[in-house]
Formats: sequence, C-alpha cells, structure tokens
Amino acid sequence: QSALTQPRSVSGSPGQSVTISCTGTSSDVGRYNYVSWYQQHPGKAPKFIMYDVSKRPSGVPDRFSGSKSGNTASLTISGLQPEDEAEYYCCSYVGSYSVVFGGGTKLTVL
Amino acid sequence: EVQLVESGGGLIQSGGSLRLSCAASGFSVSGNYMSWVRQAPGKGLEWVSVVYSDNRAYYADSVRGRFTISIDNSKNTLYLQMNSLRAEDTAMYFCAREVVGYSFDYWGQGTLVSVSS
Repeated sequence: QSALTQPRSVSGSPGQSVTISCTGTSSDVGRYNYVSWYQQHPGKAPKFIMYDVSKRPSGVPDRFSGSKSGNTASLTISGLQPEDEAEYYCCSYVGSYSVVFGGGTKLTVL
Repeated sequence: EVQLVESGGGLIQSGGSLRLSCAASGFSVSGNYMSWVRQAPGKGLEWVSVVYSDNRAYYADSVRGRFTISIDNSKNTLYLQMNSLRAEDTAMYFCAREVVGYSFDYWGQGTLVSVSS
C-alpha cells in the first residue's frame, strides 16, 4: 500500500488560512470516510486533531476543519497561530483492518 | 488520565530480536484496539500493526511474519516482538490507542530502535 500524497510544505502568515491536501486512490481516501489527521511538533509524539474526515476530537480548536472530495482529503487551518507550525500527517483506512499515512506536510508560520 | 509509555528500544544487529513494551494507564488495553506506528529518522509515519480486543492481529506487509503484537491483560501492557530485524526497521516506535474510524487518539512518547548492518 503506497503512502498518501501530501505537499512537502505549506506556509502562511499569522491570521491567514492554509489548506493541506492528502491524495489517495479510490481504494482508500475515495472509498472510506475514515480519514484522520495528526499534528507533530519536532521530537514529540503525534497529536490527534481530526477523524472521520471532518470531526474534531474534544479540545481541538474549531480553527481546524476537514473535508474530502473524491480521492483527496484536506485539512484547513484558519486564523494561523505560531504554535500551529508543525508537521501534519493524514491517515486513511485501506481495508483489511489496515491504515496508511501520508508522507507529511511541514507547515511554516511566517 | 490516559498515558502510554514505551520501552525496550535500543541498538541491535541485523537479524536480531527485540521486544518493545507499552505500559498503559488510565484505561484497559484489553477493552481497546491497540496499535504500533513507527517513524524512521527524518521520515513520515508508518502503521505497523494492530491488535483488537478479541486478539485478532493485523500487520503491515513490511513486517508480517517477523513481528508479533500481543497484550498482557494482567500488566495492562502492549508488546511488539520483533524478529529478523533489518536496517530498514530502524525507527522510533510509537504505541497508540485506536478508536473510531481507525484513528489514533492517544500516543506514547516512542522508543527508538536502531538496527545496525
């Protein structure tokens, strides 16, 4: 199972919005509404920030939103804050009780 | 408070074996789905394995036949037995609790495995 495709990097200024895409295939992202997103700061464990494409876990600000169209899922962060600078990973169910992650996107807050 | 603490990583020669542990607190591992996810140095996340509450286990193609996931209910601990280790298994290994939608809500801090060739 190949990794999902994410842009290597995105950037935005404080207060702006950025969108990170996550492209899979009709066998994973396109087939299941089981896309989740994780935020990882350097040297830290990943943090759970989105599940079932667009549902936010408790405690995650509503500045974070998720969507999906066809084989591509997206994470949008609005009102960028300095602490949002991190690596972001998408993850999709691929069947047979397995998941696949994206390659990661580094978000830089300018 | 939910907490996951991994241990057991280290430097091992290619072909060797290692057992990782993940001690859980704040919830029962036996009543949940538990996974291992790894991250090679400077690389992205890679799902490794999951064990369900009925002991069904599933593995990534890259480790199937070499790694075994298990749970000790009495110790509330998740394990990953890794045999026939290869250089490409070098990574930080995280344990994580799998929840709704095949997502992972709690993660440990990771334990580093380095396989020398």
